[in-house]
Amino acid sequence: AQKITQTQPGMFVQEKEAVTLDCTYDTSDQSYGLFWYKQPSSGEMIFLIYQGSYDEQNATEGRYSLNFQKARKSANLVISASQLGDSAMYFCAMPHRGGGNKLTFGTGTQLKVEL
Amino acid sequence: NAGVMQNPRHLVRRRGQEARLRCSPMKGHSHVYWYRQLPEEGLKFMVYLQKENIIDESGMPKERFSAEFPKEGPSILRIQQVVRGDSAAYFCASSPPRDGRETQYFGPGTRLLVL
Repeated sequence: AQKITQTQPGMFVQEKEAVTLDCTYDTSDQSYGLFWYKQPSSGEMIFLIYQGSYDEQNATEGRYSLNFQKARKSANLVISASQLGDSAMYFCAMPHRGGGNKLTFGTGTQLKVEL
Repeated sequence: NAGVMQNPRHLVRRRGQEARLRCSPMKGHSHVYWYRQLPEEGLKFMVYLQKENIIDESGMPKERFSAEFPKEGPSILRIQQVVRGDSAAYFCASSPPRDGRETQYFGPGTRLLVL
């Protein structure tokens, strides 16, 4: 069974600063991936970034990057130059390779960007 | 390319009624997933379907819930004889048939309220 742990229920960051949202995982798969999704107050789920376990470099997508540490089983999301619009719930998720890639989600981190 | 479509966005039912939630995947996507999000929680997998086939329904409650993805038309999640505990946001996601990482793109969700 897979498990995703997000230990920060809430985080605050000042506008224009960087913030790191933690995610640790547990899986028996040799090859796996990790997704981050954003859920603003409007409720939709927005795909942000993906990291594969065999990717040699940490994934980056604009202001989003992953601090992927395989030995520590962590895949933390880094948001640089925070903006007010980044205020949202953030979920880390892992697909179950043997289970049709159904996603196991963490409990999420509520990020609030302040002026 | 239109995203994943879900309707209705909001649905109110009285206890004992039926709820039908619809999902149209992104063009070219043949895999559909349904997830449920209870208030203040992360998303939980319910069922994974391909056209005319249920691949994995390990997350579906054994009674009252059913899902289909017909050859033509949207995927339907059906909840019979709804109870208050069914009140949740129901998300549909679709993914293409094998792009390596099989990113799931989510629809806006249907918020079901059972009175």
